[in-house]
Amino acid sequence: AQSVAQPEDQVNVAEGNPLTVKCTYSVSGNPYLFWYVQYPNRGLQFLLKYITGDNLVKGSYGFEAEFNKSQTSFHLKKPSALVSDSALYFCAVRDMERSGNTPLVFGKGTRLSVIA
Amino acid sequence: DAGVTQSPTHLIKTRGQQVTLRCSPKSGHDTVSWYQQALGQGPQFIFQYYEEEERQRGNFPDRFSGHQFPNYSSELNVNALLLGDSALYLCASSLNHGQARETQYFGPGTRLLVL
Repeated sequence: AQSVAQPEDQVNVAEGNPLTVKCTYSVSGNPYLFWYVQYPNRGLQFLLKYITGDNLVKGSYGFEAEFNKSQTSFHLKKPSALVSDSALYFCAVRDMERSGNTPLVFGKGTRLSVIA
Repeated sequence: DAGVTQSPTHLIKTRGQQVTLRCSPKSGHDTVSWYQQALGQGPQFIFQYYEEEERQRGNFPDRFSGHQFPNYSSELNVNALLLGDSALYLCASSLNHGQARETQYFGPGTRLLVL
């Protein structure tokens, strides 16, 4: 069975500092990995995904994520945090070995708070 | 290019009632998935529709049912509402090219409160 763990419920960072939101995953085969962001009273907004190739994936709004197969991790990063980055972040996984447009399995989310 | 739209935005029902939520997919998308997001949790997969058929289903009871129309829009129906059905219901659309790499794009959700 697929699963995602986001070990931190809350991450606090000062504006201008680098941020990291952690994600580890478990799948039987190789993973497709996704990051989404959710602002208050809004749906999920796609940030980036890892499919294959370069382990460092760049996405929207200056975010990037690094795929580490040996550590089964896909941490979200940004070099310089903005107050407007404050939101709820979700990591999701899909098993590459399963064919078709299979559903995403999400973590519980990490609330990021960027302090001015 | 319109994104995924959902209606209504908010809904209040009482236990035992029935509810219908609606979703229009992103232009060009033919697959619709529904998720339930309880407070403080990540989204949980309910089911997915493609070519007007339910193709996959998560661990939800038969009280949850759906439909997809020829224009790819979709409805989620929940019968005999329970207090525990209170949640944000999210619709996601994607292309069914048989590739797991396809991104799902989400709508703003419908917040359902069951009293």
